[in-house]
Amino acid sequence: DIQLTQSPSSVSASVGDRVTITCRASQDIITWLAWYQQKPGTAPRLLIYGASSPQSGVPSRFSGSGSGTDFTLTISSLQPEDFATYYCQQGNRMPWTFGQGTKVEIK
Amino acid sequence: QPHLQESGPGLVKPSETLSLTCAVSGGSLTSSNYYWGWIRQPPGKGLEWIGSIFYSGITYYNPSLESRVTISVDMSKNQFSLRVSSVTAADTAVYFCARRAAADSFDVWGQGTMVTVSS
Repeated sequence: DIQLTQSPSSVSASVGDRVTITCRASQDIITWLAWYQQKPGTAPRLLIYGASSPQSGVPSRFSGSGSGTDFTLTISSLQPEDFATYYCQQGNRMPWTFGQGTKVEIK
Repeated sequence: QPHLQESGPGLVKPSETLSLTCAVSGGSLTSSNYYWGWIRQPPGKGLEWIGSIFYSGITYYNPSLESRVTISVDMSKNQFSLRVSSVTAADTAVYFCARRAAADSFDVWGQGTMVTVSS
């Protein structure tokens, strides 16, 4: 299975901060990577697919980049509604796998 | 976009079979060549893909669960189902159904249903 390692596991930030989350794959997944946001008690929400393509309706402050084994999700200016847990997921090879998550907390 | 809704028992006894259904509304299971899948999340933990199905019946399963999992589709009811046999406490989780979309991401999710395995 392809392992995805996210860092950091958690980050404390303030409204307006720029936040960057990284996801490293155990092997080359080209650009078959998605990012999700999950708030407590709710289903994950797709933010980015294909490493850098924003899902329809996602605010422009969310962006994704990377290819191969190293990927990043950037929130350019953190908003109150962005405090949540973020997951990466690879779609290059089955079984599809997820990172362990990064919790973005209020500083 | 379609709406997905999971349903099924919230409590299952150890060694028995967990059965869940995902009803699809506002769209057809057969439209646009989408795959449909199940993903679970144990309390306080991360996400695990269980398996996916195409409306024709083609299925793909996570090898870690494949011996115990069956996913099926009922086009007449526009729904698909999950069965996990011989459950243990390790199968306690929130179970989500979802639509597989571009670049093998999941773009539409059900709200999730909590299943507890306990005697």
